[in-house]
Amino acid sequence: SYELTQPLSVSVALGQTARITCGGTNIGNKNVHWYQQKAGQAPVLVIHTDSKRPSGIPERFSGSNSGNTATLTISRAQAGDEADYYCQVWDTSTEVFGGGTRLTVL
Amino acid sequence: QVQLQESGPGLVKPSQTLSLTCSVSGGSISSGSYYWIWIRQPAGKGLEWIGRIYTSGRTNYSPSLKSRVTISLDTSKNQFSLKLSSVTAADTAVYYCARESYAFDIWGQGTMVTVSS
Repeated sequence: SYELTQPLSVSVALGQTARITCGGTNIGNKNVHWYQQKAGQAPVLVIHTDSKRPSGIPERFSGSNSGNTATLTISRAQAGDEADYYCQVWDTSTEVFGGGTRLTVL
Repeated sequence: QVQLQESGPGLVKPSQTLSLTCSVSGGSISSGSYYWIWIRQPAGKGLEWIGRIYTSGRTNYSPSLKSRVTISLDTSKNQFSLKLSSVTAADTAVYYCARESYAFDIWGQGTMVTVSS
């Protein structure tokens, strides 16, 4: 089965840029989606199809995908960006989630 | 604006069947090219996809749960449902329903289900 690997945690200083990676074999050939989940809340889609932002998501959120790594980039990080982030792809009739990354804004 | 709301028992006994319903408001469950999804999340852990159903009734299930899962549509009530049989403590989780268009773009708030005698 297909596996997605994310770092358990990423820290970023307030106002700086955070990058969260999602590794998978030839993930560059798949559509990658990213979700933000704040404590006690349902996940929210922040990036879909590698790099597209849904309506209402700040431009500070961007995504890229190439080779074996997809990346979610959060520019000018704010305290409100502290959350768990999950990547997700569709593979062989199955939806697959990464294990999630806890983003801490220092 | 489409909204989803999960409902069902918060406590299920081991070996019994967990049954949840997701009510869809603000749009018809049978219109558009959407999949209707169930996802769960044990406390302190990550997201696990359970399965999905298309507006035509076609389903896909997680291989690890396939033998115990049934997802169905009730277009007359604008709802879709999850049944998970032979539950154990490992099935204790928050269960979310969601809509999939290009991704999981709309989620319910989630409902906690505990498996315990």
